Amino acid sequence: DTAVSQTPKYLVTQMGNDKSIKCEQNLGHDTMYWYKQDSKKFLKIMFSYNNKELIINETVPNRFSPKSPDKAHLNLHINSLELGDSAVYFCASSPLHSNQPQHFGDGTRLSIL
Amino acid sequence: AQTVTQSQPEMSVQEAETVTLSCTYDTSENNYYLFWYKQPPSRQMILVIRQEAYKQQNATENRFSVNFQKAAKSFSLKISDSQLGDTAMYFCAFAGSARQLTFGSGTQLTVLP
Repeated sequence: DTAVSQTPKYLVTQMGNDKSIKCEQNLGHDTMYWYKQDSKKFLKIMFSYNNKELIINETVPNRFSPKSPDKAHLNLHINSLELGDSAVYFCASSPLHSNQPQHFGDGTRLSIL
Repeated sequence: AQTVTQSQPEMSVQEAETVTLSCTYDTSENNYYLFWYKQPPSRQMILVIRQEAYKQQNATENRFSVNFQKAAKSFSLKISDSQLGDTAMYFCAFAGSARQLTFGSGTQLTVLP
């Protein structure tokens, strides 16, 4: 009964490949997010998405694209992986109109060889 | 754009003692939320405490309390009776009208036996 679940937890792949990270939340939240945590532990928003609006951080390369098949899922697809994409990626969710905090998944550690 | 600053990259405290972690932020918004998240070595992001900007009363959660100074844009976290399990990276975070979180660079807290 995990609230926000991400798969896989670890992903090791080669430069140039395309990969996806899945995220599902069972909290009934309206908004989902993707964050990137770099090697220095710095966390930065990549995307926020509800069923009406996608907000993209302008610094995110267009090789990254969020895909939402339904309100409970927001997957992250990455094309042509580069060494600099190595990081931990966190999915999170929250209600749209509420002061409730975001709930985070356990993160996916992506390592590019 | 909002910024969040944590000026203490590392701190240590003796078990059972009290420690205060600093956080300052910059925003032009008047209604917003502030959070402290804890990230232990397991890399989970765990909410410690939150504060609504419109509330003058400082939030408390058991051994954790904040000193929120809105005019000074300061939001420090006090941990009382520190325990070994408090050892973690602590992130201060801001959420404004855009709802997405802006994080500080983190403070690594080590509780010494």
